[in-house]
Amino acid sequence: GAVVSQHPSRVICKSGTSVKIECRSLDFQATTMFWYRQFPKQSLMLMATSNEGSKATYEQGVEKDKFLINHASLTLSTLTVTSAHPEDSSFYICSARDRVGGNTKAFFGQGTRLTVV
Amino acid sequence: SQKIEQNSEALNIQEGKTATLTCNYTNYSPAYLQWYRQDPGRGPVFLLLIRENEKEKRKERLKVTFDTTLKQSLFHITASQPADSATYLCALDYNQAGTALIFGKGTTLSVSS
Repeated sequence: GAVVSQHPSRVICKSGTSVKIECRSLDFQATTMFWYRQFPKQSLMLMATSNEGSKATYEQGVEKDKFLINHASLTLSTLTVTSAHPEDSSFYICSARDRVGGNTKAFFGQGTRLTVV
Repeated sequence: SQKIEQNSEALNIQEGKTATLTCNYTNYSPAYLQWYRQDPGRGPVFLLLIRENEKEKRKERLKVTFDTTLKQSLFHITASQPADSATYLCALDYNQAGTALIFGKGTTLSVSS
């Protein structure tokens, strides 16, 4: 089945530095990928929709200059948390939907636990 | 405003019993409703999808119902096992190109032996 791979699974960074998270669709092409953030015991909150070859669409309240998204190919989207602060510490998850044959289910990466110290 | 509610944050049951989880939504008209399982520190994994014109869907020990009048879905796990312990998320799906799933907060199920 379709697989989405996310890397790294854990990262600890110092306040003020930037962190890049990669999301790859391994056996299907994803023109659209989605980035979510999840706080403990909370729902997955959609941050942005990443579109291959064009600008990402950000949800209300998500700073586009802080969370830079690049979707340069049909199999790779990256999220860069710039000038990270402790309040950015969270679990970030990417997702892609394989629409071949009308299949609408979503595949998720393993998630990235970001800790900013 | 739009809202998705899963009936309880936590559900504890004994092994062998049936677990029933509820998902209610307001101010949405989804084409599909999906259920996912999430283990701690992992991304969600797809379980079942049910369309708006379907009443019930089954897969092994799992059963999902979808009532668009009540705006509610029920998710059942029969003959539950400790390995079923996880957080279960319902997600609304508009099935439009480029749209994301919208998730409830989830219900954490604990099955004790």
